[in-house]
Amino acid sequence: DIQMTQSPSTLSASVGDRVTITCRASQSISSWLAWYQQKPGQAPKLLIYKASTLESGVPSRFSGSGSGTEFTLTISSLQPDDFATYYCQQYNSYSTFGQGTKVEIK
Amino acid sequence: QLQLQESGPGLVTSSGTLSLTCTVSGGSIRSSSHYWGWIRQPPGKGLEWIGGIFFSGSTNYNPSLQSRVTMSVDTSKNQFSLKMTSVTATDTALYYCVRLPLEHYFDSWGQGTRVTVSS
Repeated sequence: DIQMTQSPSTLSASVGDRVTITCRASQSISSWLAWYQQKPGQAPKLLIYKASTLESGVPSRFSGSGSGTEFTLTISSLQPDDFATYYCQQYNSYSTFGQGTKVEIK
Repeated sequence: QLQLQESGPGLVTSSGTLSLTCTVSGGSIRSSSHYWGWIRQPPGKGLEWIGGIFFSGSTNYNPSLQSRVTMSVDTSKNQFSLKMTSVTATDTALYYCVRLPLEHYFDSWGQGTRVTVSS
């Protein structure tokens, strides 16, 4: 099965910072990658699919890039509402998630 | 607006069967553009895909759970269901029902239902 590895596991940042989270696949997944945001006590929310397509209603400060085995989620200017845990998910072969990246206040 | 609502027992005995139902409102489960599925999240941990089902009954399951999982759909009630047999404490988790476009990412989620497996 395809393993997904996110880095870092935890990220400390301030409001206004540019934040980048990396997700690596154990084998090529083309562009079949999604990103989710999860806040405490809430279900995950889809942010990006097909590596770089922004889900409707998601702020444009979120962007995704990459293909093959390496992907990034970038938040261009971190807002107070963005402190959360972020997960990547591959859907090239079945479905597996990364272990998550917690974005916390610095 | 599409809503998904999980229901089922919050406590299951070890070695027993976990049974959950997801009721879909604000949309039809007979969509030709979507699968429906289940994801779980153990306390304090990450997300694990369990499986998905099309309204026709076609299924695909996580290979690591396939031997214990059965999913079904009831189009007359706009519901789909999950059964997981031989549960153990490691099956204790928050269980989400989800909608999947044909590409198999997850674009709509229920609020989740907590299931505890006790001995």
